[in-house]
Amino acid sequence: AQSVTQLGSHVSVSEGALVLLRCNYSSSVPPYLFWYVQYPNQGLQLLLKYTSAATLVKGINGFEAEFKKSETSFHLTKPSAHMSDAAEYFCAVSVGGDMRFGAGTRLTVKP
Amino acid sequence: GAVVSQHPSWVICKSGTSVKIECRSLDFQATTMFWYRQFPKQSLMLMATSNEGSKATYEQGVEKDKFLINHASLTLSTLTVTSAHPEDSSFYICSAASVESRRVSYNEQFFGPGTRLTVL
Repeated sequence: AQSVTQLGSHVSVSEGALVLLRCNYSSSVPPYLFWYVQYPNQGLQLLLKYTSAATLVKGINGFEAEFKKSETSFHLTKPSAHMSDAAEYFCAVSVGGDMRFGAGTRLTVKP
Repeated sequence: GAVVSQHPSWVICKSGTSVKIECRSLDFQATTMFWYRQFPKQSLMLMATSNEGSKATYEQGVEKDKFLINHASLTLSTLTVTSAHPEDSSFYICSAASVESRRVSYNEQFFGPGTRLTVL
């Protein structure tokens, strides 16, 4: 079965600094990959998704992710962090409708 | 588009009572809905997958007699927590997969805002 591993349960950056949240996947077939953001006591909001088109995917709020098959990675980046980016981020892999989530990474943004 | 709602957004109940949570796709038809459970500071764990008009498929370790799922229409699925106990307190999130013509767009799920259940 497919799975994802998010490296780092907690990432802290300064406002204006680069955000890098790591995600590695495991799948025996070409996967669909997603990044979601979750604010406290809210559901998941889709940031971006990889569906086998372009390997560099741009999402909302200035986030982007690059699918690297050779590294089985789908890391999330944002050039300049904003205070409003502080939240929990989940990477997910979906194969045939079966979606599996990573453990999540809590992003803290320091002023 | 692709909005999913949940009701209620939060509920407090006494131990031993049953609680029903509704999940609705507001602007699309969903043949498949998913129910997740999330403990504090943890990831989402899939509880069950429900298909309209058929029985839900439960993940290993999820008691189907305790967590009753009904998917009676293409826009509504319900999760009933029967005889709730404090250990059932959690954040429950549903999602829906849309139908595009005859091809099920399985790989993207649209998530509801979640329901916070507290059992006293």
